[in-house]
Amino acid sequence: GENVEQHPSTLSVQEGDSAVIKCTYSDSASNYFPWYKQELGKRPQLIIDIRSNVGEKKDQRIAVTLNKTAKHFSLHITETQPEDSAVYFCAASSYTGGFKTIFGAGTRLFVKA
Amino acid sequence: GAVVSQHPSWVICKSGTSVKIECRSLDFQATTMFWYRQFPKQSLMLMATSNEGSKATYEQGVEKDKFLINHASLTLSTLTVTSAHPEDSSFYICSARTVTGGNTEAFFGQGTRLTVV
Repeated sequence: GENVEQHPSTLSVQEGDSAVIKCTYSDSASNYFPWYKQELGKRPQLIIDIRSNVGEKKDQRIAVTLNKTAKHFSLHITETQPEDSAVYFCAASSYTGGFKTIFGAGTRLFVKA
Repeated sequence: GAVVSQHPSWVICKSGTSVKIECRSLDFQATTMFWYRQFPKQSLMLMATSNEGSKATYEQGVEKDKFLINHASLTLSTLTVTSAHPEDSSFYICSARTVTGGNTEAFFGQGTRLTVV
């Protein structure tokens, strides 16, 4: 079936450095790629998303890139801050008779002050 | 953003009993809601897609007779864990997407932590 692979599973960076999380997906029908941030014990919150007709999107310190040919998409966080520490999930969503969203395994980001 | 409310936030039940979890979209209509299960330090595993007015679509390996889903209205979907066992203990979380528009973000409920003793 469809799957989404996410790497790395854990990422530790120094405050101010950049963090990059990469995902690949298998379903070529995927056309929407959201990224969620989940803090401990809380619900996932959307932080940025990108559609398949766009190659890059940026929102302040967060950017996402998409390579539809290679089925890769990445999250870039610049100037990381301790409050960026959380688990980040990528997802690939498609509509084939119904909406379906598959999540990556998650990346636990630690930002050291 | 849109608000999705899930109830209860946590529940402890005895083995063999059933537990019902509610997922409500408070300020929008949702023809489709999704139910996920999340184990500690793991990802969100899609269990089923709940469609208003029709049967839910279950993912492979998810027992439909054990995890009953009802989507009776455009704002409410329920997940009932029947004859719960300790291995059903987990974090269950729903999400809903708005009716309008194409493929868009889904909004998550706050999750329900189920402990079966």
